[in-house]
Amino acid sequence: GAVVSQHPSRVICKSGTSVKIECRSLDFQATTMFWYRQFPKQSLMLMATSNEGSKATYEQGVEKDKFLINHASLTLSTLTVTSAHPEDSSFYICSARDSSNTIYFGEGSWLTVV
Amino acid sequence: GNSVTQMEGPVTLSEEAFLTINCTYTATGYPSLFWYVQYPGEGLQLLLKATKADDKGSNKGFEATYRKETTSFHLEKGSVQVSDSAVYFCALRGRTSYDKVIFGPGTSLSVIP
Repeated sequence: GAVVSQHPSRVICKSGTSVKIECRSLDFQATTMFWYRQFPKQSLMLMATSNEGSKATYEQGVEKDKFLINHASLTLSTLTVTSAHPEDSSFYICSARDSSNTIYFGEGSWLTVV
Repeated sequence: GNSVTQMEGPVTLSEEAFLTINCTYTATGYPSLFWYVQYPGEGLQLLLKATKADDKGSNKGFEATYRKETTSFHLEKGSVQVSDSAVYFCALRGRTSYDKVIFGPGTSLSVIP
């Protein structure tokens, strides 16, 4: 079964609102989680690295004020898309690293902003 | 920095045809190499991996061999099925605990009956 779970798997929100996506490691503690974004028919682009108890490290070109990442516990990281717009519609997927340095991916979350 | 290059798709094959999807990489040191698959409307699944040179990863009839001399990790399958239609991503990850997974652009495969 899945060892990394994302919720919600699909969400539709209105333009201008904020939406939160959760990423949980189910069977292990993850000091580091990663957030990716995938536009239709494109590859997965790393957005940020989420470290438990500290600020996330964002990749170049990713707006940190728009994509808020919180990693408040060893099993949970959240991505909040603030003031969402239709161009933020995308597939967001997280991954988590366990103590053996193995990375597991979540099932992904489809965001549609209308 | 690390990067992955894949053959461009889309690739269309008839059922039972032989599949090759080329993948080459650029990396410092000796990364681990992966193939992920994404079926329509679904998330990402690890298909196979190889962690050192000359290793062969295999799963569900797919194979890929880690070739350090050519910095390649080509995906092959002897006889594709319609159910193999998906997008395939080649990826790499460095050796340190700080290294992230870097994905190639993906190759879309359509298998027709």
